[in-house]
Amino acid sequence: KNEVEQSPQNLTAQEGEFITINCSYSVGISALHWLQQHPGGGIVSLFMLSSGKKKHGRLIATINIQEKHSSLHITASHPRDSAVYICAVQTGTASKLTFGTGTRLQVTL
Amino acid sequence: EPEVTQTPSHQVTQMGQEVILRCVPISNHLYFYWYRQILGQKVEFLVSFYNNEISEKSEIFDDQFSVERPDGSNFTLKIRSTKLEDSAMYFCASRDGTRGGNQPQHFGDGTRLSIL
Repeated sequence: KNEVEQSPQNLTAQEGEFITINCSYSVGISALHWLQQHPGGGIVSLFMLSSGKKKHGRLIATINIQEKHSSLHITASHPRDSAVYICAVQTGTASKLTFGTGTRLQVTL
Repeated sequence: EPEVTQTPSHQVTQMGQEVILRCVPISNHLYFYWYRQILGQKVEFLVSFYNNEISEKSEIFDDQFSVERPDGSNFTLKIRSTKLEDSAMYFCASRDGTRGGNQPQHFGDGTRLSIL
């Protein structure tokens, strides 16, 4: 059974700060996803990665397969980045996702 | 950009009643999923569906649950006799699968199911 652990659970930052959210998992995976969940509940896919690093705007995601660890970075954070960020790992032939508990990010002015 | 759509956005049902949650996946996608999120908890996998059959299901997905793709566009989750603990947000997702390699899952906005 794959366990997905995220840290921190809650994070408060001031606008402009550099933010890092960490994710570790326990067994082999085919891919790792970073997702964003807004207060209304909707889930948006940010990144899917199986190796290395991806960048989209101010967001950067990295993964170390050997260490079973991934990080999501937000540069120059903004209040609109406030949301829950969720790490999920993909396994199996049907590619089901196993989710972490999420990191609640609040960015203040 | 194509979207996964779910209806209704909120469903209130009496305990013991049957409920059907509806999803319209992205049109050329081949893999379909249902997940649920109990308030304050993490998202949990329920079931995956491919080629008109269930490909994987979790322990949560017991005999009270069923899925169906009744036509070329809809993907439904039925709960036969709802319990209070079925109250949750239910998310539908779909994935392309027509191209080689991994593709992301696209999520609907969810249906909030409240059992009274």
